[in-house]
Formats: sequence, structure tokens, C-alpha cells
Amino acid sequence: EVQLVESGGGLVKPGGSLRLSCAASGFTFSTYSMNWVRQAPGKGLEWVSSISSSSTYIYNADSVKGRFTISRDNAKNSLYLQMNSLRAEDTAVYYCARGGSYSNYWGQGTLVTVSS
Amino acid sequence: DIQMTQSPSSLSACVGDRVTITCQASQDISNYLNWYQQKPGKAPKLLIYDASKLETGVPSRFSGSGSGTDFTFTISSLQPEDIATYYCQQYDNLLYSFGQGTKLEIK
Repeated sequence: EVQLVESGGGLVKPGGSLRLSCAASGFTFSTYSMNWVRQAPGKGLEWVSSISSSSTYIYNADSVKGRFTISRDNAKNSLYLQMNSLRAEDTAVYYCARGGSYSNYWGQGTLVTVSS
Repeated sequence: DIQMTQSPSSLSACVGDRVTITCQASQDISNYLNWYQQKPGKAPKLLIYDASKLETGVPSRFSGSGSGTDFTFTISSLQPEDIATYYCQQYDNLLYSFGQGTKLEIK
């Protein structure tokens, strides 16, 4: 069974940092690209960042460029999102999702709240 | 960046009705268009991929069509459990974007 389990969310002050993790199981993690998608309270889905299977290609939404860094460790079947210089508008549930042309597996999400 | 324009933003229909949602891309995306269903407090669920392919286990009342820039998502006979928000999503070589979402309610 495919599972994606996010962790690392929490309350952080504006300007602070947080690192999200996503533990993958049930599929060959190293052969899939992976994505982070977020959803602010009461708002729609927003793609955040993607990473190719071997980390060769990385893409970020303009809203997080220069502040967020996606990475992965294929040996540990894990995906990460390092979030720096956090702003109030980064408050959201962050989902990891298996990549490719479509995402048929998603984690349950982890809530990040940026507030003083 | 490719922008996705989804309409309507909300929709109220009766059980048994045929429901249609449209999504327009700002440039040609071939058939790289997916549709997701999201219920409150839950992760999105893939319903349709590559514009018209039904994900395994998804009821056949859900369908999708279109290519290029114009796409349609249809529920042939609305059921109470279909109450949710629906999103289109385009894929362009590891770059993605979502439509604004359509909140579907029962009349």
C-alpha cells in the first residue's frame, strides 16, 4: 500500500524557518518525481515545488522562490521542504504528492502556521 | 507560467442532475489535464487524468474531455456523496498549476 506521511508542521514566527518531511512507502520512491502542494485556510490548492526522481530538476512556484528548498533522500525514501523567511501568507496545510503527469497519491497534510 | 481558469466557482444542483465544470488553459497543454475531488479536511483525490482517463476505482458517472486549451469535467448523475470541491490541474514538465476550484452543493 502506498503511503505518504508528512511531518514537521507547527507554529512559527514571521521570518522563521521550518523543515517539512514526507516519508514514503509502498512504491519505488527513487523512480518518481515528487511535489509539495499547499492549501491556505479556506482557499484553493497551490503547487509549491517539484523535484525529479534523481534531484536533477527542481522547480518552485514564484511565491516561494528564494525562500523554500525542496530536496529528497532516495536512500531514506524521504522528501523534504526547507522553508525560510516564512510569511503570514505561507500559513497553509502542506501536502506531499507523488509526481509525474498526475498525482494519484497524497499525504494527509501537515499544518504550518506563521504568526507572531 | 500556464494559468488555469476554472468555472463556475460554485454550483448548486439536484441529485440526479448532470453537472459540468470547465477549465481553460492560457496555452496549449495537449491532454495534460487532471481533475481532483476534495472533501473538507481531506487530501485531494484524483478522478480523471490525461483529460479523459478514469482513475481506477472512480465511478463511471465521472468523465472528462477536451484537449489543447479547453476542457470539461462532467458528473452524469449527481449523487449526495459527490458534494465536494473540484479542481483542474495542468502538468508541464514538473511545473503545475491548479484552477481556482468549483464548490459543488446539493440544491
